[in-house]
Amino acid sequence: LAKTTQPISMDSYEGQEVNITCSHNNIATNDYITWYQQFPSQGPRFIIQGYKTKVTNEVASLFIPADRKSSTLSLPRVSLSDTAVYYCLVGDGMTSGTYKYIFGTGTRLKVLA
Amino acid sequence: EPEVTQTPSHQVTQMGQEVILRCVPISNHLYFYWYRQILGQKVEFLVSFYNNEISEKSEIFDDQFSVERPDGSNFTLKIRSTKLEDSAMYFCASSRGVEEKLFFGSGTQLSVL
Repeated sequence: LAKTTQPISMDSYEGQEVNITCSHNNIATNDYITWYQQFPSQGPRFIIQGYKTKVTNEVASLFIPADRKSSTLSLPRVSLSDTAVYYCLVGDGMTSGTYKYIFGTGTRLKVLA
Repeated sequence: EPEVTQTPSHQVTQMGQEVILRCVPISNHLYFYWYRQILGQKVEFLVSFYNNEISEKSEIFDDQFSVERPDGSNFTLKIRSTKLEDSAMYFCASSRGVEEKLFFGSGTQLSVL
């Protein structure tokens, strides 16, 4: 079971780039790295997923070094509405035909005006 | 964008009563999940479901819990005899394929009195 470690909280100002790093030292060969965002009283929302190197979509970038033991979520030019909890997930692998995602404690990002 | 819908959004029940939480996953998804989140804590995996049977369950998912897909669209979580500690937000999720991203519903807030 791969476990993830993230900073508990981060503060940033509007317009800045925010980088949240996650450690997953025990990641398995077939595991993807997935990031979710959660606002209070809402379900987690998918942000980005990657396996290696760099992935970019319309909201974020994900950087994964060659050893895949960590990953960094990059949010360009954050706004107040990006204040949320961000979770780094590594799948628990296909032990029984399904892919179980285990959530860690997440990083509480607070964007200040 | 298609979404997972959950009903009711809030459920209040007395300790010892049975509750059924309902979910309509995205129509072409094949994998279904229940997670829960106690206030202020992390999102916890309960159970995964595929091909009309449970694929995996956590230690939280004891004999008081059951899941069912009674027809082609609904996915339910039943708690037979609720306890105070079952009070939490319950999230349903679905995915199109194994290892694909999960789509979460907005949750059912269960309060056991």
